[in-house]
Amino acid sequence: QLQLQESGPGLVKPSETLSLTCTVSGGSISSSSYYWGWIRQPPGKGLEWIGSIYYSGSTYYNPSLKSRVTISVDTSKNQFSLKLSSVTAADTAVYYCARHRLGSGWSDYYMDVWGKGTTVTVSS
Amino acid sequence: SYELTQPPSVSVSPGQTARITCSGDALPKQYAYWYQQKPGQAPVLVIYKDSERPSGIPERFSGSSSGTTVTLTISGVQAEDEADYYCQSADSSGTYHHVVFGGGTKLTVL
Repeated sequence: QLQLQESGPGLVKPSETLSLTCTVSGGSISSSSYYWGWIRQPPGKGLEWIGSIYYSGSTYYNPSLKSRVTISVDTSKNQFSLKLSSVTAADTAVYYCARHRLGSGWSDYYMDVWGKGTTVTVSS
Repeated sequence: SYELTQPPSVSVSPGQTARITCSGDALPKQYAYWYQQKPGQAPVLVIYKDSERPSGIPERFSGSSSGTTVTLTISGVQAEDEADYYCQSADSSGTYHHVVFGGGTKLTVL
């Protein structure tokens, strides 16, 4: 059974870079038809998609975060990572990693497996 | 990038039918998906491709689509269905492929 597990610091200082890793177990990150990505949820608010990556390294980012986001993949470790630079208190959120399934085309693109999430607080 | 619009809240009594709508201009061309999120938990997919139900999701959950609106219907609502529900779709062109979420709807079981 495929499982995803987020890891990384729970506290980041303002203006610094948030770094998280998602470890995939029970399946290969190099599977075709799947992208791997990040979603966040500020306290008491809704879900916000951050971006996704294919095992080949092809990426797509939320336009509102694109200037600060980098998602990378390490197929040898079956992991992918998120870096978000110049963080502020507004970046405080639960960060989820998730498998993105590409079904019958780009009109059929959704998250079918999620990690449990990790809380990141931005504070000095 | 386009938006998906959901009502902030829906309330129903146990045993009744709950309907949660999601509107977006691109929905006639893009599939919609629904996620259930209970407090302190990760979202769970309950409907995919407008109306398909993943294995393990109770039959009382169903989805439908009409024009620019998709609807999640929960028949015979149970107390355990109280949760936040999010619709999701894709925003795609030849050069980008993004994910869009609705703002979420809090389902209260009275």
